[in-house]
Amino acid sequence: NAGVMQNPRHLVRRRGQEARLRCSPMKGHSHVYWYRQLPEEGLKFMVYLQKENIIDESGMPKERFSAEFPKEGPSILRIQQVVRGDSAAYFCASSSTASNYGYTFGSGTRLTVV
Amino acid sequence: ELKVEQNPLFLSMQEGKNYTIYCNYSTTSDRLYWYRQDPGKSLESLFVLLSNGAVKQEGRLMASLDTKARLSTLHITAAVHDLSATYFCAFTMEYGNKLVFGAGTILRVKS
Repeated sequence: NAGVMQNPRHLVRRRGQEARLRCSPMKGHSHVYWYRQLPEEGLKFMVYLQKENIIDESGMPKERFSAEFPKEGPSILRIQQVVRGDSAAYFCASSSTASNYGYTFGSGTRLTVV
Repeated sequence: ELKVEQNPLFLSMQEGKNYTIYCNYSTTSDRLYWYRQDPGKSLESLFVLLSNGAVKQEGRLMASLDTKARLSTLHITAAVHDLSATYFCAFTMEYGNKLVFGAGTILRVKS
């Protein structure tokens, strides 16, 4: 079991470019969560998805950010027209049910906007 | 809205000493998680506490949950250098699924 796989591990983008972050959940997990961690801070919830559905996007910025979890393939967090303030570590977690029993985190993608 | 207060935010300890990290939360929740994060790394799950009065221990770490007081503690016994890391507590809302994290406690154990 490879765990939660995130790629890329590090991503550098110039201001105004697009960033695409990928997350493949653990085998058997159908619930995916994205969190953002700014330097020296805790993790902030962004969005919760199940296959083909966004369940809770209350933590997503209203503009430039979007997420999807298609029927086939990984979950994608997309940031359009990146700005320096988007520089952060983005973590994906997955779980097997909606029971809150356990979450497994990926290694994260560290986005740097230059 | 669920809010989590974690303290202290920074803890410098001598090896062999004991200390406690506290997590207070603001609303009804009975699911409490403790995670460890090393610099530049992901989060490692330490404990999942699911009921009032739950106590779990792993090595030099012991976590407890008091849902009536809305308090969880992470107790460190006889600290060793390998415990140096950032520790986060997190809760889920009673009827939700997202984790709400505390700000984290940076623990440094000095020889």
